Amino acid sequence: AQRVTQPEKLLSVFKGAPVELKCNYSYSGSPELFWYVQYSRQRLQLLLRHISRESIKGFTADLNKGETSFHLKKPFAQEEDSAMYYCALRRSPATGNAGNMLTFGGGTRLMVKP
Amino acid sequence: GAGVSQSPSNKVTEKGKDVELRCDPISGHTALYWYRQSLGQGLEFLIYFQGNSAPDKSGLPSDRFSAERTGGSVSTLTIQRTQQEDSAVYLCASSSRTGGGLSYEQYFGPGTRLTVT
Repeated sequence: AQRVTQPEKLLSVFKGAPVELKCNYSYSGSPELFWYVQYSRQRLQLLLRHISRESIKGFTADLNKGETSFHLKKPFAQEEDSAMYYCALRRSPATGNAGNMLTFGGGTRLMVKP
Repeated sequence: GAGVSQSPSNKVTEKGKDVELRCDPISGHTALYWYRQSLGQGLEFLIYFQGNSAPDKSGLPSDRFSAERTGGSVSTLTIQRTQQEDSAVYLCASSSRTGGGLSYEQYFGPGTRLTVT
């Protein structure tokens, strides 16, 4: 069975400081990894996925299969980045009805102080 | 266009009562998912519908939980004989397609906050 671990429940940084939200996973196959974000009073939304290899709102994440990690990074945190961040895994490839659901980590609350 | 909607937004019920939670997915989305967000537990998968195929119920925590999806659109999650541990935010998500090795973004609704007293 797959598992996603986010070791930090809370991460507090000052504005302008670098931030790294950790995510480790366990899955015997080839997973697809995502970061979801939930801002205060808003719904959960996709931030980025590893297959896209893109930077969203200054955030990047690289899949490291050797370390089974998918850490989320941003060089200079902004106050508007304060939110709850969830790392998620989807089994891949998905065929038929198998493996389409997401397995989420416990989440990390990021607080960016002024 | 309209996103995923859920109703009610809040539900308070007494232990032992049955509750129904509703999800309206984005029009045209064939895949629909239910997740539960419990305090301190993160998000856990409950059930998944894809088109007319049999649903994947592997995440349902007990036989008190059931869900149906009528006409390939609206879904209802039913919890019978509610317990205090059922208190959580129940999230619904939909996506346009799945399978074939491709992943399509899941769009989440605002959730229903269920409180069992």
